[in-house]
Amino acid sequence: GAVVSQHPSWVICKSGTSVKIECRSLDFQATTMFWYRQFPKQSLMLMATSNEGSKATYEQGVEKDKFLINHASLTLSTLTVTSAHPEDSSFYICSARDWSGGDTGELFFGEGSRLTVL
Amino acid sequence: GQNIDQPTEMTATEGAIVQINCTYQTSGFNGLFWYQQHAGEAPTFLSYNVLDGLEEKGRFSSFLSRSKGYSYLLLKELQMKDSASYLCAVRDDNYQLIWGAGTKLIIKP
Repeated sequence: GAVVSQHPSWVICKSGTSVKIECRSLDFQATTMFWYRQFPKQSLMLMATSNEGSKATYEQGVEKDKFLINHASLTLSTLTVTSAHPEDSSFYICSARDWSGGDTGELFFGEGSRLTVL
Repeated sequence: GQNIDQPTEMTATEGAIVQINCTYQTSGFNGLFWYQQHAGEAPTFLSYNVLDGLEEKGRFSSFLSRSKGYSYLLLKELQMKDSASYLCAVRDDNYQLIWGAGTKLIIKP
């Protein structure tokens, strides 16, 4: 199946700093990528849909100025958590769908990035 | 509103069979998905149902009844490595995935 790679796997930062997370589709082109956040023992919460070459679409309640998304190429989307605070500590996961083989419905997930803000 | 319901936790014995149920109420329906998620890892795809009936894939099977808004994931010959959370997700009219909270499956020897 298609491969999505996410980096870094985990990051610890001080409150007030910014953190960038990268999501790459390694063997397919992804015009759309999805960014999720998952708090412990909770389900995945869609934060935003990243669209190549255009602005991301944010879900209600997600601050677009705080969670900056850039999708500059067909294989790379980045999520930048600006001025991070302890409440932003979470597991951030990106995903993409490979449409080249038709609609199998499958979402391919990156490995996830665990952010801890001190 | 949109809602996906699945049990919070289930326990089963190694070698046995377990069925995890999922009921949904969504704005439209464009497929139901089951994902497996081990602790601290990203989800991995298990199955996709868009038509009524049973889809079998090795030890795992998934069933869908659109009229009842109901699906189940059936795991046979349980192995210790099957201990994980199982997420049910439905794709709505806008092709957005609505996720259930997940069912934590505990396998005992």
